[in-house]
Amino acid sequence: SYELTQPPSVSVSPGQTASITCSGDKLGDKYTSWYQQKPGQSPLLVIYQDSMRPSGIPERFSGSNSGNTATLTISGTQTWDEADYYCQAWGSSTAVFGGGTKLTVL
Amino acid sequence: QVQLQESGPGLVKPSETLSLTCTVSGDSFSSHYWSWIRQPAGKGLEWIGRIYTSGSTNYNPSLKGRVTMSVDTSKNQFSLKLSSVTAADTAVYYCASSLSGGAHPYFDYWGQGTLVTVSS
Repeated sequence: SYELTQPPSVSVSPGQTASITCSGDKLGDKYTSWYQQKPGQSPLLVIYQDSMRPSGIPERFSGSNSGNTATLTISGTQTWDEADYYCQAWGSSTAVFGGGTKLTVL
Repeated sequence: QVQLQESGPGLVKPSETLSLTCTVSGDSFSSHYWSWIRQPAGKGLEWIGRIYTSGSTNYNPSLKGRVTMSVDTSKNQFSLKLSSVTAADTAVYYCASSLSGGAHPYFDYWGQGTLVTVSS
């Protein structure tokens, strides 16, 4: 079955750039989505189709996908961006999520 | 915009069947995919499966045939049944929509989630 691998944690200082990676076999051949989840809340779509931002998502969220790695980049990270982030792609009509990355802003 | 709301028992006994319903409001229900996703406490997201409004389904193979989904377009609802549950099925269960994306769908709206505990 298809697998996506994320680092368990990433730390960033406020105002700096955070990069969260998601790795999978030939992931660049698939579309990747990214979801933000804060404690006690439902996941929120922040990036779809590798690099598209839904309405209402700040421009500081961006995404890329090439080779075996997709990357979520948060520029000028704010303290309220602290959350768990999950990547997601499709393999054989099955949705697969990465294990999640806890972003700490300190 | 669309709103999704999960409903169903919060406690299920081991070996029994978990049953949940998601009610959709605010946007067109037809011609879209609707999914169930779960999250054990402190763990990551697991996709359970999806159903199209025509009734066609895709399930996560890891759940080994325990999953059945159905749709009721007259009520704008879709449902999940998970049989032979164990404590490992204890999780927050979310319903989610894939309204956009065509052949490359994503989960654009989510319900608030409902906690289902498997315990005797």
